[in-house]
Amino acid sequence: NAGVTQTPKFRVLKTGQSMTLLCAQDMNHEYMYWYRQDPGMGLRLIHYSVGEGTTAKGEVPDGYNVSRLKKQNFLLGLESAAPSQTSVYFCASTRTSTLLYEQYFGPGTRLTVT
Amino acid sequence: RKEVEQDPGPFNVPEGATVAFNCTYSNSASQSFFWYRQDCRKEPKLLMSVYSSGNEDGRFTAQLNRASQYISLLIRDSKLSDSATYLCVGPDDKIIFGKGTRLHILP
Repeated sequence: NAGVTQTPKFRVLKTGQSMTLLCAQDMNHEYMYWYRQDPGMGLRLIHYSVGEGTTAKGEVPDGYNVSRLKKQNFLLGLESAAPSQTSVYFCASTRTSTLLYEQYFGPGTRLTVT
Repeated sequence: RKEVEQDPGPFNVPEGATVAFNCTYSNSASQSFFWYRQDCRKEPKLLMSVYSSGNEDGRFTAQLNRASQYISLLIRDSKLSDSATYLCVGPDDKIIFGKGTRLHILP
């Protein structure tokens, strides 16, 4: 099993550009999550999904959209990137229906917005 | 008071020593937390779960003190490979990560 994979690993955007980050898991997990991690701020939950076709807002959802059309994929979109969205983005998944449980993280996407 | 708070450190500890750090939380009803370990420029990985009965795994012991509302992580006989950032996350009905405590084990 590959576990949780993220595409791309690195990206540089100009302000106003859009992009989509892809997260894929092959563990048949129900829950999937998107986080951002900034120096001194820790991991903050952006959006999450409790199953195919469902999404919910986390702690810092503004400026992001998500979709979960297939159980194994969770997409994070930035419609109009801003320098404040420069961060490391982590995707994670869990296998149970309990919100707080062991999370398996992807390797991260390092995004720079200039 | 923030929901989950950690001392950012860094904790600089000689190899072989015992080190402990805490994570305080504000929701008195919380019953479960987790400790994750994150190496530099890597993703977090689960280290231990923490329930009311505590948890021990080899050199690592995690405990939940509900009266004082904190969870602790104790590392005995520390190794160089224990150098990392340790994140706590909880409470059980939310996903709030602490900012992490940096640990440096010195040779």
